[in-house]
Amino acid sequence: GAGVSQSPSNKVTEKGKDVELRCDPISGHTALYWYRQSLGQGLEFLIYFQGNSAPDKSGLPSDRFSAERTGGSVSTLTIQRTQQEDSAVYLCASSIVDRGNIQYFGAGTRLSVL
Amino acid sequence: QKEVEQDPGPLSVPEGAIVSLNCTYSNSAFQYFMWYRQYSRKGPELLMYTYSSGNKEDGRFTAQVDKSSKYISLFIRDSQPSDSATYLCAMISFSGGYNKLIFGAGTRLAVHP
Repeated sequence: GAGVSQSPSNKVTEKGKDVELRCDPISGHTALYWYRQSLGQGLEFLIYFQGNSAPDKSGLPSDRFSAERTGGSVSTLTIQRTQQEDSAVYLCASSIVDRGNIQYFGAGTRLSVL
Repeated sequence: QKEVEQDPGPLSVPEGAIVSLNCTYSNSAFQYFMWYRQYSRKGPELLMYTYSSGNKEDGRFTAQVDKSSKYISLFIRDSQPSDSATYLCAMISFSGGYNKLIFGAGTRLAVHP
C-alpha cells in the first residue's frame, strides 16, 4: 500500500509568513509523529498523536508551532510568523503503536524561510 | 549530555570495505534499538531492529547491542556505493508517557568505487 505522504515537498516562504505542512499517514496507523531535521542534525521530536488521546506537544519549540490531526488520519503542522531558524526538513512518521513502535517516514517537507 | 551520541562523520570507505557505525546512550531504560538509513532528500527508512542485547544479521548488515556498555553497532560487509547514505540509530524507551523514539544525530557514509 501507499507510504506516508507529505506535501508540499518544498516550501519557500518569507520571514513572518505562516505555513502549513500536510501529512497523510499510512492507512490504519493510529500513531502520527512530526519531527524536525536541521542540516547535519538528528531528528528533533515535535509532536505525537495517538488515536483520540490528547497529543503530546512536549517537543514543540515555541507557541508559533501547532498541529492538528483530523479524523484520526491527516495531520497539518502550522508554523506562524516563520523565522529563519525554522528552516529545516519537517518529517512525518506513522506507526501502529505496539511494543515495537516501528515508525515509517514520509520524504519530508523542506522549508526555507528567507 | 545527549541521551544518544553518534559520531556524525563523514565516513569515507572504499567499495568492499567493512563499515562499523556506532552509538552510545545513557538511558538504561532503552529496550528497542533501531538503525535507519536516510538517502539524500528522502525520509529515513528502517534498516535493522533489535530487542535487548545480542546480534541480528540481515544479509550484509549486522546489528549488535551491548546493554551493559550502553553501546550499539551496525556493521556493513562488502560495502557498496549504494550504501552511501546517512545512518541514524534510534532507541525506544517505555518509561514516561509513551513509546518515545530517540534518534542519534546520524553518521554520513560515503562508499567510493
